[in-house]
Amino acid sequence: DAGITQSPRHKVTETGTPVTLRCHQTENHRYMYWYRQDPGHGLRLIHYSYGVKDTDKGEVSDGYSVSRSKTEDFLLTLESATSSQTSVYFCATGGGGNQPQHFGDGTRLSIL
Amino acid sequence: GESVGLHLPTLSVQEGDNSIINCAYSNSASDYFIWYKQESGKGPQFIIDIRSNMDKRQGQRVTVLLNKTVKHLSLQIAATQPGDSAVYFCAENVSGTYKYIFGTGTRLKVLA
Repeated sequence: DAGITQSPRHKVTETGTPVTLRCHQTENHRYMYWYRQDPGHGLRLIHYSYGVKDTDKGEVSDGYSVSRSKTEDFLLTLESATSSQTSVYFCATGGGGNQPQHFGDGTRLSIL
Repeated sequence: GESVGLHLPTLSVQEGDNSIINCAYSNSASDYFIWYKQESGKGPQFIIDIRSNMDKRQGQRVTVLLNKTVKHLSLQIAATQPGDSAVYFCAENVSGTYKYIFGTGTRLKVLA
């Protein structure tokens, strides 16, 4: 158990609405990541954090923002959801280079 | 999740046989590699890792082989069991970065 909790686990919402996904960790890891997983693609990095209030963009960051006000929580926000953001979203901790990442069980997000 | 696995290559093996799953990694600057197992509806689970200064590493029933010359990684599972049925994918860490590149995966089906 990597001590990562993602919420909600499932969400259905409409185009144009804001959505926030939460990742909570209990292991005090410095690094946290948000990925999306889609058919035909490996996990793709959206944003990551290397400390409280320290974040950076990944390869598919357009349309997403993040915040990390506490070590244990990393929030992913879709300001105005679009159908192309329908996906399974995973949070990961650890890593930081030369260490394995550990993942939560994901949030399945459907945008209609 | 299930939708991610729809178009994955599939390896079918008899229970008790050995399985070999292959991965071609993309970046010659990568120096750390990980294998993950993902069951339906769950997050990726760390199996084993290897650093670029090694060619082989063994765990419990699993072995990872690294061939840097051809940028190839393999995962061997000994005495495959029904519980090994899942999607397996590799990840690489580009040296000196927080960036991890994930493969799309292979579905392993264990036949009774």
